Amino acid sequence: NAGVTQTPKFQVLKTGQSMTLQCAQDMNHEYMSWYRQDPGMGLRLIHYSVGAGITDQGEVPNGYNVSRSTTEDFPLRLLSAAPSQTSVYFCASSPPRGSGGSDTQYFGPGTRLTVL
Amino acid sequence: AQSVTQLGSHVSVSEGALVLLRCNYSSSVPPYLFWYVQYPNQGLQLLLKYTSAATLVKGINGFEAEFKKSETSFHLTKPSAHMSDAAEYFCAVSEEGGSYIPTFGRGTSLIVHP
Repeated sequence: NAGVTQTPKFQVLKTGQSMTLQCAQDMNHEYMSWYRQDPGMGLRLIHYSVGAGITDQGEVPNGYNVSRSTTEDFPLRLLSAAPSQTSVYFCASSPPRGSGGSDTQYFGPGTRLTVL
Repeated sequence: AQSVTQLGSHVSVSEGALVLLRCNYSSSVPPYLFWYVQYPNQGLQLLLKYTSAATLVKGINGFEAEFKKSETSFHLTKPSAHMSDAAEYFCAVSEEGGSYIPTFGRGTSLIVHP
């Protein structure tokens, strides 16, 4: 299994540009999440999904959109990039409760985004 | 609502010394507790987790943590630090019966001196 994969690894955008961060998992996990990591702030939840077709907002959703058309993919869209969105973005997946996973998150390697 | 506090953004130890990283949680129901490790330029990986079984949990790389309900703590320890333990460590909590999404602490950077 490849686990959780993210593309691209690095990206530089100009203010106002849009882009999509890709995330895929091959573990048939129902739950997927997007976090951003900033120095001294830990991980903050942006959006999450409990299954195909179901998404919800996390702690810091403004400026980001998500959709979940398949179990495997959970892309994160930046509509109009701002310097405040400069961060490292992590995608994670988790098996549903009752499957023995007990909320364990499996993380991708991250995307480092810089907005100029 | 669940929350977690990690005491100390940086902890510095000498190689071979005891490692102690502190985590206190807040939860209105029985919690699930986790420690994750992040090596430079990598994603997070699970170190260990507590899910209401044994209160002393052993993880990978010689780390262990003890759940203490009376102190609402889940501190991470390792008897003897190795240079390869230098990394960022995150404590996280989720609630049994609640949202599956864990809440993460702000992280503690472990520095190991030779």
